[in-house]
Amino acid sequence: AQTVTQSQPEMSVQEAETVTLSCTYDTSESDYYLFWYKQPPSRQMILVIRQEAYKQQNATENRFSVNFQKAAKSFSLKISDSQLGDAAMYFCAYRRAYGGSQGNLIFGKGTKLSVKP
Amino acid sequence: DSGVTQTPKHLITATGQRVTLRCSPRSGDLSVYWYQQSLDQGLQFLIQYYNGEERAKGNILERFSAQQFPDLHSELNLSSLELGDSALYFCASSASVTNYGYTFGSGTRLTVV
Repeated sequence: AQTVTQSQPEMSVQEAETVTLSCTYDTSESDYYLFWYKQPPSRQMILVIRQEAYKQQNATENRFSVNFQKAAKSFSLKISDSQLGDAAMYFCAYRRAYGGSQGNLIFGKGTKLSVKP
Repeated sequence: DSGVTQTPKHLITATGQRVTLRCSPRSGDLSVYWYQQSLDQGLQFLIQYYNGEERAKGNILERFSAQQFPDLHSELNLSSLELGDSALYFCASSASVTNYGYTFGSGTRLTVV
């Protein structure tokens, strides 16, 4: 079974600085998708960024980028120029590309990010 | 507004009772997923429906059931409620089974007392 591990329960960053959130996963499959979701105090789950495992190029969305290391099964999220609005829980998630349960996401436990002014 | 509508937003009920949570997917989305978020278990997949048919099951208790109606809205039924069922229940939708991104609703906060 696939698992997702986020080893940092809490992180803190100074406004305008850069922070990296870690995520590792375990799978025997070669095709899959990886995601980072943000959950602010409003509870809404917001997709931040996604990565297809077959793509070697790291995904980037404005101030958010990932470091995808397929062999190491690592998928970290870098937030540049941190803003107060980035404060939230961040969840790493895995999704199979094929198979009966391909649609559902497997989530890590989350990392709570605080941004200091 | 994500386009996925969940009602009610909050629900308080007693142990042993039965409740129904409702989800309207984003317009055009055929697939609906239910997730439970609790402090001890984190975010867990419960069940998925695609165009009215059950597609996949996760860690869903036998006391829980769901369905997706012809108009594509979905309902999650929770019965014989226990204190441990208190959680945030999310619904998400996607355009197809293989579409790799999907949209979450804002959740229903269930409190069992």
